Amino acid sequence: QVQLKESGPGLVQPSQTLSLTCTVSGFSLMDYSVHWVRQPPGKGLEWMGRMKYDGDTYYNSALKSRLSISRDTSKSQVFLKMNSLQTEDTAIYYCTRDGGRPHYWGQGVMVTVSS
Amino acid sequence: DVVLTQTPPTLSATIGQSVSISCRSSQSLLHSNGNTYLNWLLQRPGQPPQLLIYLVSRLESGVPNRFSGSGSGTDFTLKISGVEAEDLGVYYCVQSTHAPWTFGGGTKLELK
Repeated sequence: QVQLKESGPGLVQPSQTLSLTCTVSGFSLMDYSVHWVRQPPGKGLEWMGRMKYDGDTYYNSALKSRLSISRDTSKSQVFLKMNSLQTEDTAIYYCTRDGGRPHYWGQGVMVTVSS
Repeated sequence: DVVLTQTPPTLSATIGQSVSISCRSSQSLLHSNGNTYLNWLLQRPGQPPQLLIYLVSRLESGVPNRFSGSGSGTDFTLKISGVEAEDLGVYYCVQSTHAPWTFGGGTKLELK
């Protein structure tokens, strides 16, 4: 069945770089796009960016200068890297599959930015 | 980017009561292919979002039919016909017609 799982460090120091991995199963990254969405504690959902099935990327304009999304199709993994982290980047980070709709979601990974 | 405005931000309901949530878009969500990619999500406490409705009114598999969606263009509504305890949480509309995806601010459904 379709599954997505986020992984990465739970704690990142301010000004450092965040690296997250979304490992998928049950489908191919060359058939479906994967998006990253984050949610600060107690707040709403914010779309961050997406890796399209053809390898094209698209980013939230507010994060574009700090954000990079890549993939390894052989490992069924999508990667998120965001630099210059600040406390306001503290959030749960989700990856979700795009099949014309945000159907499948990972459980999310909580990232805290703190010294 | 498309702005989605959800109202009300909070909804208090009793079990069995019917409620509606509105989602208004800053521009039409009708895609050039004829589809309208307006979706509704439910996020229960401590859980990732769950897709309830897609393409305005299509019920996702396994979602109870007390949930229904309607609307067109820029105005959309989610209705719950007879709230149950498991329906409590935060509801979000999200559009995927125009890049980038954008989300409404959320509506928290709580027990009165």
